[in-house]
Amino acid sequence: AQKITQTQPGMFVQEKEAVTLDCTYDTSDQSYGLFWYKQPSSGEMIFLIYQGSYDEQNATEGRYSLNFQKARKSANLVISASQLGDSAMYFCAMRLPWSSASKIIFGSGTRLSIRP
Amino acid sequence: SQTIHQWPATLVQPVGSPLSLECTVEGTSNPNLYWYRQAAGRGLQLLFYSVGIGQISSEVPQNLSASRPQDRQFILSSKKLLLSDSGFYLCAWSQSLAGGLGSPLHFGNGTRLTVT
Repeated sequence: AQKITQTQPGMFVQEKEAVTLDCTYDTSDQSYGLFWYKQPSSGEMIFLIYQGSYDEQNATEGRYSLNFQKARKSANLVISASQLGDSAMYFCAMRLPWSSASKIIFGSGTRLSIRP
Repeated sequence: SQTIHQWPATLVQPVGSPLSLECTVEGTSNPNLYWYRQAAGRGLQLLFYSVGIGQISSEVPQNLSASRPQDRQFILSSKKLLLSDSGFYLCAWSQSLAGGLGSPLHFGNGTRLTVT
């Protein structure tokens, strides 16, 4: 069965430091997409970054990058130079197109807290 | 540009009462539509998704149901609410797979449901 695992329920990081949020996934599909979302305390869901299973390069979007290791089935989010505004819940998600008609599933999330 | 509307923002309902949450999308056609539920401080649980009018896939057997009467309208219903139905309900849309695997989810602002 398809599954997303985020093993860090909570993390504390000093401002301006880099932080890595872990995500592992399980699927037998060869074609899939991986996403990261940010959820501030307001509850809104903000799309951060995307990685396709056939993409050879790791995705980057500003201070966000995705460390994609396909053989290990991991897609860790790296935030460089963390800021106070980065404090939020972060969710890893996977899109499964063919066998499950566009189902998108989420991990349990990591609560990131940035210390000033 | 595309927008998604979800209402109401908050709802307090007694046990055994019916439920109807509505979500509409503007500015796109034939979107994939999703309903998620989030328990306090937890991850997103996929409840239903739809790739077209009248096409509903259910992920979790429970007393909730979903309908898609129009292309850009998605409704979450219950005939009799349970205490365990309390949570934060999020509607989302994405482009169909014709737009590629990388089409992210775009979320509504959510409905906070409290069943008393």
